[in-house]
Amino acid sequence: AQKVTQAQTEISVVEKEDVTLDCVYETRDTTYYLFWYKQPPSGELVFLIRRNSFDEQNEISGRYSWNFQKSTSSFNFTITASQVVDSAVYFCALRLNNYGQNFVFGPGTRLSVLP
Amino acid sequence: NAGVTQTPKFQVLKTGQSMTLQCAQDMNHEYMSWYRQDPGMGLRLIHYSVGAGITDQGEVPNGYNVSRSTTEDFPLRLLSAAPSQTSVYFCASSYSSGGRSYNSPLHFGNGTRLTVT
Repeated sequence: AQKVTQAQTEISVVEKEDVTLDCVYETRDTTYYLFWYKQPPSGELVFLIRRNSFDEQNEISGRYSWNFQKSTSSFNFTITASQVVDSAVYFCALRLNNYGQNFVFGPGTRLSVLP
Repeated sequence: NAGVTQTPKFQVLKTGQSMTLQCAQDMNHEYMSWYRQDPGMGLRLIHYSVGAGITDQGEVPNGYNVSRSTTEDFPLRLLSAAPSQTSVYFCASSYSSGGRSYNSPLHFGNGTRLTVT
């Protein structure tokens, strides 16, 4: 069975601090896809990034970076120099490359960035 | 670009009432799905569809019904509302081809906040 764990339920940081959100996934499939979504207080779900299982390159986009490690089944998300606008719930998700292709979401991590 | 459109945004029902949550997408996506979001539970899949005329159950399908008569529309029906169905509902779609999604992300609607009293 597939599972996504986000052990950190809530994190609070002060503005300009760096913060890492952890994501650990479980699957026996060799081909799969990982995603991060952001849900700001307004409630919409915003796609941030995807990563294929065969591509272990880390990625940086501005203040955001993602570290994918197959050896530890982790896909962690780091925000550098956090800002108040980063306050949101962040979801990690796993999608298999099979019929149905359903997403499995983690429970989410609520990040509060204090001014 | 409308993307995924959900209506209504808010709804209050009494126990036993029925209603339909509407979802439409204009991206020609084969894959569509409905999730409910409850505090501390993340997003749980209710029903999904890999194409017009094809629907299947997700993790929490009881009390809900879906149909997919067109590629664009995927309505969710609550047959007899119960307080346990108080939740935020999200419709989502993604590209797929031949039943496979590859690495396509889900595109979400803005959600429907449903309260059942």
